[in-house]
Amino acid sequence: SAVISQKPSRDICQRGTSLTIQCQVDSQVTMMFWYRQQPGQSLTLIATANQGSEATYESGFVIDKFPISRPNLTFSTLTVSNMSPEDSSIYLCSVGGNQPQHFGDGTRLSIL
Amino acid sequence: GQQLNQSPQSMFIQEGEDVSMNCTSSSIFNTWLWYKQDPGEGPVLLIALYKAGELTSNGRLTAQFGITRKDSFLNISASIPSDVGIYFCAGQLIQGAQKLVFGQGTRLTINP
Repeated sequence: SAVISQKPSRDICQRGTSLTIQCQVDSQVTMMFWYRQQPGQSLTLIATANQGSEATYESGFVIDKFPISRPNLTFSTLTVSNMSPEDSSIYLCSVGGNQPQHFGDGTRLSIL
Repeated sequence: GQQLNQSPQSMFIQEGEDVSMNCTSSSIFNTWLWYKQDPGEGPVLLIALYKAGELTSNGRLTAQFGITRKDSFLNISASIPSDVGIYFCAGQLIQGAQKLVFGQGTRLTINP
């Protein structure tokens, strides 16, 4: 299966700032997704990252808060904008297509 | 939105015991997936199920796709210390879209 690398692995940020998380895959993949996992909780899909077009967001998530880029079939970024303490979570990238979704190790984000 | 009810939320067992957990939903899914998440890591796929009634094994793990397509269970036989972690079920509603809905997770603790 594809190897997924996420950067940074963790960060501590000040409220009001923004952070961009990168997801790099070692092979071309059809589908890429971004999830949020709040402390002690399950995974919730934020959006599907579409190559060459705007991401498809799930209910409760908006582009202004979580802009996503996917310039090619191996790379995507998620930006968490204007962060508040409620954004403290693990953000996970996953890839799919011809096989079940596989996940990166996530970015652990804490906002002070 | 769709929800998966996963139970139990936590389990405390002795090493060597068998484990059983399940997920139910009011919605019909065309794929069921079981993942395990260790601290500091992303979820790792254990078993994928694609057909109603399908029974699949992966070593000491066995999972089944319910006949009604609204439920699935995961069994672990002869538990060992490395089985400790959080287990998540996930359902895929629409073939091809690969959007996943996750259960709340089952936290497994093993007493040696």
